[in-house]
Amino acid sequence: GAVVSQHPSWVICKSGTSVKIECRSLDFQATTMFWYRQFPKQSLMLMATSNEGSKATYEQGVEKDKFLINHASLTLSTLTVTSAHPEDSSFYICSVKGGAENTEAFFGQGTRLTVV
Amino acid sequence: KQEVTQIPAALSVPEGENLVLNCSFTDSAIYNLQWFRQDPGKGLTSLLLIQSSQREQTSGRLNASLDKSSGRSTLYIAASQPGDSATYLCAVRGRGSTLGRLYFGRGTQLTVWP
Repeated sequence: GAVVSQHPSWVICKSGTSVKIECRSLDFQATTMFWYRQFPKQSLMLMATSNEGSKATYEQGVEKDKFLINHASLTLSTLTVTSAHPEDSSFYICSVKGGAENTEAFFGQGTRLTVV
Repeated sequence: KQEVTQIPAALSVPEGENLVLNCSFTDSAIYNLQWFRQDPGKGLTSLLLIQSSQREQTSGRLNASLDKSSGRSTLYIAASQPGDSATYLCAVRGRGSTLGRLYFGRGTQLTVWP
C-alpha cells in the first residue's frame, strides 16, 4: 500500500502563532489528499479535501482562513493552523487514496498539536 | 448524511477469546468499507478493505463481513492476544459523496489482558 509520511508527529506552540503540518505521499502520486481532525475519545472528522493544483474543499464549519491547505504537488499537501488557540489542540491526520473511488485509503501517522 | 456507529464502545477480554466488533451505517450506497487499527497517539493502520460487491475479507486472524443491504459489518478476531489491544475503527466510503470521503465510527477500544 501507499506510504504516507506526516511531519511533525507532535508540536507544542504558543497561542496566536501558526503551525504548519506536512503530509507526503512517498511512493504514490496523490491528486487528492484528505485532512482529518480527531479529538480525544472522538472519531475522525473530515476537515477538508485537498486537490493538487486547486483550492481545497472545506467541510461545513471548518474555517478556511484558519486552516490553510496547500497541495502544490502530487506528493505534498500542507495544513497550516493560523493564529492557533488552545481549542485547536487536537490530533490532525492526513490520508491519501488511489485514483479510483473503490480503492483503499492510507493514513499518515498523525500530528498531535498542543496550543498553550 | 452517512452515520457510522460502532458497538461496543469498549471491550476488555482475557487472552485467547474470539471477538466480534460491530459496525453499522445508515446509507447503503457505499463504494467500500474499511477496518482500521489505531494505537494510542498514532495514525491508522488499514486492516481490511471490503468492496461493496464483496461479502467478506480475511487476513490472518481477522475476518470482516459486509451486509450492505442491512448496513452492517462485523470484524471477527480469532484467538485474541494482548498485542491486539488498540482502538478499531470502521469507515465507509460513500457513493456520490464529496470526492470519495470516508465516514468514520467512534471506534471500539479493545483491551486484551494476559
